Amino acid sequence: NAGVMQNPRHLVRRRGQEARLRCSPMKGHSHVYWYRQLPEEGLKFMVYLQKENIIDESGMPKERFSAEFPKEGPSILRIQQVVRGDSAAYFCASSPPPVETQTQYFGPGTRLLVL
Amino acid sequence: ILNVEQSPQSLHVQEGDSTNFTCSFPSSNFYALHWYRWETAKSPEALFVMTLNGDEKKKGRISATLNTKEGYSYLYIKGSQPEDSATYLCAQRGSQGNLIFGKGTKLSVKP
Repeated sequence: NAGVMQNPRHLVRRRGQEARLRCSPMKGHSHVYWYRQLPEEGLKFMVYLQKENIIDESGMPKERFSAEFPKEGPSILRIQQVVRGDSAAYFCASSPPPVETQTQYFGPGTRLLVL
Repeated sequence: ILNVEQSPQSLHVQEGDSTNFTCSFPSSNFYALHWYRWETAKSPEALFVMTLNGDEKKKGRISATLNTKEGYSYLYIKGSQPEDSATYLCAQRGSQGNLIFGKGTKLSVKP
């Protein structure tokens, strides 16, 4: 059973470009969470999705950021018109239906650098 | 707003030493507490999920306890080895299922 996959592992963008980060959850997992680690900070929650639904996006910036988890294919975190402050490591995690005891399994992250 | 704190921020021990770290969290509206081990350039690795006051969990030389009434959890490592060097994260589960992480304790074990 492959773990959570993220790609690309490293992404370089110039200011104003778009960044697309992909996350394939573990097999059988229908819930995906995105977290961001800014330099010198801890992991911060961004958004929680089930297939075709956004459950909680309270941690995601209101502008330029969007996320989806379609019926088929990976979850996508999209950042439009990137700025230097978007440079960070973006992690996704997946879990089966979330009861209190469910572990979230993390991917290796995508490190975004905005020039 | 939930605020998870971890101490110490970093720890340097000798091989063979036993050590422990603290995670404190708001005790109201508690759902679950997660511990992760995170090595540089790798994925955070799940260690424990704890839900009940008084829970104790063990995995090899690593164990954890939980006190939900006073809002703290301890992680213990017995007989530290160089391969235990990593950042140890705790996270409290929020009402929607998201995790609220502390900043971690960075452990370095010298041979």
